[in-house]
Parts: sequence; C-alpha cells; structure tokens
Amino acid sequence: NAGVTQTPKFQVLKTGQSMTLQCAQDMNHEYMSWYRQDPGMGLRLIHYSVGAGITDQGEVPNGYNVSRSTTEDFPLRLLSAAPSQTSVYFCASSRGRPKNPSSYNEQFFGPGTRLTVL
Amino acid sequence: SQQGEEDPQALSIQEGENATMNCSYKTSINNLQWYRQNSGRGLVHLILIRSNEREKHSGRLRVTLDTSKKSSSLLITASRAADTASYFCATVYQKVTFGTGTKLQVIP
Repeated sequence: NAGVTQTPKFQVLKTGQSMTLQCAQDMNHEYMSWYRQDPGMGLRLIHYSVGAGITDQGEVPNGYNVSRSTTEDFPLRLLSAAPSQTSVYFCASSRGRPKNPSSYNEQFFGPGTRLTVL
Repeated sequence: SQQGEEDPQALSIQEGENATMNCSYKTSINNLQWYRQNSGRGLVHLILIRSNEREKHSGRLRVTLDTSKKSSSLLITASRAADTASYFCATVYQKVTFGTGTKLQVIP
C-alpha cells in the first residue's frame, strides 16, 4: 500500500493564480480531510469528506474548494492564490462510517505540500 | 477557532525524566487522539482514547481523559532524545480537529 500520497511536494505560485493540490489514498478509507499548518497555529481543518460525493467545511474553508468524486481522491483547489495561503498543506484519511463519527480512528497523513504564494 | 489547545506550548526536559502534556477542548467528543510530528513531516498516530474511557496505556505512553473537565493529558515516561518532536491532540466529533501542539525537547 502506498498509503496517502500528495502531489506536488513543493509549489510556488504568484498571487491570483489557481492550482490543485492532489491527494489520494489506497486504503479504501471513507473519511478524508485537508489541513493547513502554520507556525504556532497547529493544524487547522480546511475541508473534510465523509464519503464519495459528500464534503463539508472545516475551520478555515475560505479560498479553497474540494470535491470527492471517488473514494480514493480528494483534491484541494485554490481558486485565486493569496500570500495568506502560504503554508504547509496536509491531507489525511481514516476509516469511518459516515453516519457513525465515533468510528473514526487513526488518521493517516500524507507527506505534505509546501506552498509559497508570492 | 480550534477545538483543542495544548499546554504547555513548549517543554524542555532531561533524558530519563517524564514529560506531561495537557489538552483542553471545547465541545463533546466521540474520541480523542494524540499524534506526534517530527520536523514538519506528516503526523503519526500515537494513541486513541474513547469518550467512555478514563485511562489508556501504550508502552511508555499514558493518556487520561476527563470529559467533565473537557481535558486530556499525555504522559511520556523515561523520555529519550528520540522523543523530541511536537505533540498534538485531536478531537473527533463529526470531524477531526487538532490542537495547537506542544513542542517537546529532550536533552541527552
């Protein structure tokens, strides 16, 4: 199993550009999520999904879109990049039945994408 | 705002000593988890405690949970230099949210 994979590992954008961060998992996990990590802020939840076709907002969703057309993939799209979106982005997945959040167990993390917006 | 907050923000101890980190959260939870992160890498799961449990052990790790106080603690016994990392609590209730983390330095 490859686990959770993220691409690219590094990216530099100019203000206003758009791009998609890719995330894929091969563990058939229902729950997937995106976090951003900034110094001193811990991990903040951007968007999450409890299954294919279902997404919801986290703590800091503005400026980001997600979709979940398959169980395996959960891409994060930056609509119009801003310097405030400079951060390290982590994707994570776990087992969990959509109608039983208490079943969400260990989160498996990807290696992260380091994004700089100039 | 974030669901969990760890205390202290930073902790420096000598090798062999015990390290205790605390996590406070705001709402109901199904379970609470602790993770470790080395130097900006992805987080690694350490231990999970369910809302109906009060204490759990795994090797040198001991986790307690007090749902009446909405708090949890992680104890690492007999610390090693390799335990140097950041530690985060994560609360699970419909979604998974993380705290701000404790940076632990273990001095050889």
